[in-house]
Amino acid sequence: DAKTTQPTSMDCAEGRAANLPCNHSTISGNEYVYWYRQIHSQGPQYIIHGLKNNETNEMASLIITEDRKSSTLILPHATLRDTAVYYCIVRDPNQAGTALIFGKGTTLSVSS
Amino acid sequence: DTAVSQTPKYLVTQMGNDKSIKCEQNLGHDTMYWYKQDSKKFLKIMFSYNNKELIINETVPNRFSPKSPDKAHLNLHINSLELGDSAVYFCASSQDRGSRYTFGSGTRLTVV
Repeated sequence: DAKTTQPTSMDCAEGRAANLPCNHSTISGNEYVYWYRQIHSQGPQYIIHGLKNNETNEMASLIITEDRKSSTLILPHATLRDTAVYYCIVRDPNQAGTALIFGKGTTLSVSS
Repeated sequence: DTAVSQTPKYLVTQMGNDKSIKCEQNLGHDTMYWYKQDSKKFLKIMFSYNNKELIINETVPNRFSPKSPDKAHLNLHINSLELGDSAVYFCASSQDRGSRYTFGSGTRLTVV
């Protein structure tokens, strides 16, 4: 069962920041927030993950609220190639016998 | 070099046939996975192996049998194929169960 809630779809203009929200109100203390995306017909791709601090890498930034009940993935300058389904996943990486569980995700459409 | 490679990329076969999909990773990862993505685009975990040992076996018909000859390979054999088996099958690997996953490009299986 997916433990997250994401909007079904979002639109973003090319060059603008894309802010993708995720609610995870039942997150436990040992669970991390992971973001993956799936570009059409390709395998899912890891983007970023975090526990409680904000994180940034070459692809995106992850902002986690202080109570950890929600987070936002930020693509600072969206391009057409960022059009994809974005999955927010919460998971305890140390829990044996588990794997990433994908929900429905958010379909992000970037247009020129 | 492709990190996680699956063969074949496309597979069209008749009902009742037996087929195999192969997966190899050159990342030195210890854990490998099979996911199924159906026509509604839901990604579901099927199996996971850690160092050739089966650690996740979701509710999957026993017509599906994974085999891991070594930790770099995880193959999926399907007996008596049915129309409902038509889907895209993704292989993935991770250093351990808590690390980021690297996915292959998928095998699109069509049963006619």
